[in-house]
Amino acid sequence: SQQGEEDPQALSIQEGENATMNCSYKTSINNLQWYRQNSGRGLVHLILIRSNEREKHSGRLRVTLDTSKKSSSLLITASRAADTASYFCATAIYNQGGKLIFGQGTELSVKP
Amino acid sequence: EAGVAQSPRYKIIEKRQSVAFWCNPISGHATLYWYQQILGQGPKLLIQFQNNGVVDDSQLPKDRFSAERLKGVDSTLKIQPAKLEDSAVYLCASGSNRVPEAFFGQGTRLTVV
Repeated sequence: SQQGEEDPQALSIQEGENATMNCSYKTSINNLQWYRQNSGRGLVHLILIRSNEREKHSGRLRVTLDTSKKSSSLLITASRAADTASYFCATAIYNQGGKLIFGQGTELSVKP
Repeated sequence: EAGVAQSPRYKIIEKRQSVAFWCNPISGHATLYWYQQILGQGPKLLIQFQNNGVVDDSQLPKDRFSAERLKGVDSTLKIQPAKLEDSAVYLCASGSNRVPEAFFGQGTRLTVV
C-alpha cells in the first residue's frame, strides 16, 4: 500500500493565489520530498525536508514537516498558470536504504 | 549531465504477450528504481536496485514481472504474460548516495489491449 495520503486530491485556484497541499504518512522517515509531474512527463524533484527539520523554503515553495503528526504541507505562493501539474509527496523510509514511497498526489489547476 | 533514459516511450501489446522496457540511469548512480504509475494514481515502487543487487521487490508481481540490472548500470523490466491491468506508465529513476533525491526518466506508456 502507498505510504502517503495527500489532500486535496484536486485543487483549482486563480493565478496569484496561494496553493496548499498536505501529505500524511505512516512510518518513520529519513526525509520527505515533493515532486511535480506535468501531464505525460516524468517526475521532477522540487524540495526535500529532513526529519530533523521543521520548515524549508525554496523560491516560491515552502514546506513544513511535523513528525509528531506524521504530516507535511507544501505551499506554493503567488501561483502561475505554469504551476498547473500534479504534485506528489514521497517519503524516504527510515533505515530502508533509500526506499522512496509516493503518495497519490494532488492535481493543481491554476487558471489565468 | 545526461538524464535517465528510457525506451520505448510508448508500447501497445495484446494481453498475454510479453514486453520489455529498458532504462539507462545517470552515470555513477548506484540506486535504480522501477515504478508503475496507473492513470490518476501515484507511482508505485516495483523494485529497487543498489548497484546490481535487489534492495526491495516486495511489490513486484513475480509471477509475471522480472527485472535485472546487469553490471550495476542499465536495467530491464519485463512483463510476461501481460494483463489488461498492466496498462500504466513505467517510470525508471536513479539516485546516488551523495544526494537523496531521485531523478526520473520520461517513462514508458504501456497499453495492453
